[in-house]
Amino acid sequence: QVHLQESGPGLVKPSETLSLTCTVSGDSASRYYWTWIRQPAGKGLEWIGRVYTSGGSNLNPSLKSRVTMSVDTSKKQFSLNLSAVTAADTAVYYCARGLALGNWYYFDSWGQGTLVTVSS
Amino acid sequence: QSALTQPASVSGSPGQSITISCTGTSSDVGYYNYVSWYQQHPGKAPKLILYDVTHRPSGVSNRFSGSKSGNTASLTISGLQAEDEADYYCSSYSTTTFDIFGGGTKVTVL
Repeated sequence: QVHLQESGPGLVKPSETLSLTCTVSGDSASRYYWTWIRQPAGKGLEWIGRVYTSGGSNLNPSLKSRVTMSVDTSKKQFSLNLSAVTAADTAVYYCARGLALGNWYYFDSWGQGTLVTVSS
Repeated sequence: QSALTQPASVSGSPGQSITISCTGTSSDVGYYNYVSWYQQHPGKAPKLILYDVTHRPSGVSNRFSGSKSGNTASLTISGLQAEDEADYYCSSYSTTTFDIFGGGTKVTVL
């Protein structure tokens, strides 16, 4: 049973960089892709991007200029950096596993989510 | 790119069936059958309940079913139960953004 856990600061100042790490346990981090998704309070889900074990990534075009993702399979961790944050980036951030099911990849395991607030 | 379009809310009585629509474009929902649905209870992470439009992961009730026609996918919940009260999100592969979610639908069991 895979378990994902997000970690990182819960409060980030405007214009600074939000940095989160997701630690994977119970399975290898090298056979899937890993995704970040966020959800502002009371709102819907927004896909941020995904990172492959090769280190490559696909990013949401609306956030691409501010986002970097990385993966460290030896530590079973993958990370998100979002630069130049504003209040609009305040949200619960989830990490999730992209598992090949049927004909595509779907988010079959999720972390519990971590609230990040952008405020001075 | 805008989120996929879902009704804000749907309600039904216990035992009834309800259907939630998810409308996109020919670049996402209509492109491939790579549509999934997630159930989210308050304060919890989403849970995958359907993938490839119609397939249920192991352990998901067969009361959940899916379909697609053109650019619109649908989730049907049969035999509505109190535990089905939650938010539901559709998701699709997108040729422009790789993955995209719907705005979410709140299901209320009357």
